[in-house]
Amino acid sequence: EAQVTQNPRYLITVTGKKLTVTCSQNMNHEYMSWYRQDPGLGLRQIYYSMNVEVTDKGDVPEGYKVSRKEKRNFPLILESPSPNQTSLYFCASGALKSWGTEAFFGQGTRLTVV
Amino acid sequence: AQSVTQLDSQVPVFEEAPVELRCNYSSSVSVYLFWYVQYPNQGLQLLLKYLSGSTLVKGINGFEAEFNKSQTSFHLRKPSVHISDTAEYFCAVSEDFGNEKLTFGTGTRLTIIP
Repeated sequence: EAQVTQNPRYLITVTGKKLTVTCSQNMNHEYMSWYRQDPGLGLRQIYYSMNVEVTDKGDVPEGYKVSRKEKRNFPLILESPSPNQTSLYFCASGALKSWGTEAFFGQGTRLTVV
Repeated sequence: AQSVTQLDSQVPVFEEAPVELRCNYSSSVSVYLFWYVQYPNQGLQLLLKYLSGSTLVKGINGFEAEFNKSQTSFHLRKPSVHISDTAEYFCAVSEDFGNEKLTFGTGTRLTIIP
């Protein structure tokens, strides 16, 4: 089954404790992206990657890192989480030639930073 | 740069009544338009999309949307809603110009009143 898998689904952590949210897709997609969803703000892009070893900032990259060492994986790293990073996070993937027309989303990771 | 406006943050509707969720976009080039639905505690699901051709697009669960280029709108409609339609709905746009960015609106929470 074609899918984008995020782990964990729920995470509570303390300020400053490094964490990683994993994202994996099994569709051989070139394009992957991370979004955060906040009430009243919709989904905002954090980082995206157009292929292995190619990453770029989205609209709200501060406080986040990403890496793309393999095509299928695109982990989101919070090296020193703060309470303002409490949010619902979504990973998405798509074929590069059709990203603008078809995106696949993971189930989301709800992160709470206390 | 493209942008999306969803003017209604919350829309309460009686069961079996019709509903329209409004979406307006801004872009200097041709666009692709999407409606996504997020049911409580779930991820994003594509409801429908407009890529080209007929301006009336039919999606899943009885929803449809009409692309109006002159009014830069892509309103979502359903003639008769059910309790199961309670969810948050997001309008999104991407540009038909090699731009991989998928931009979301702030969302509309649809509440169905029994």
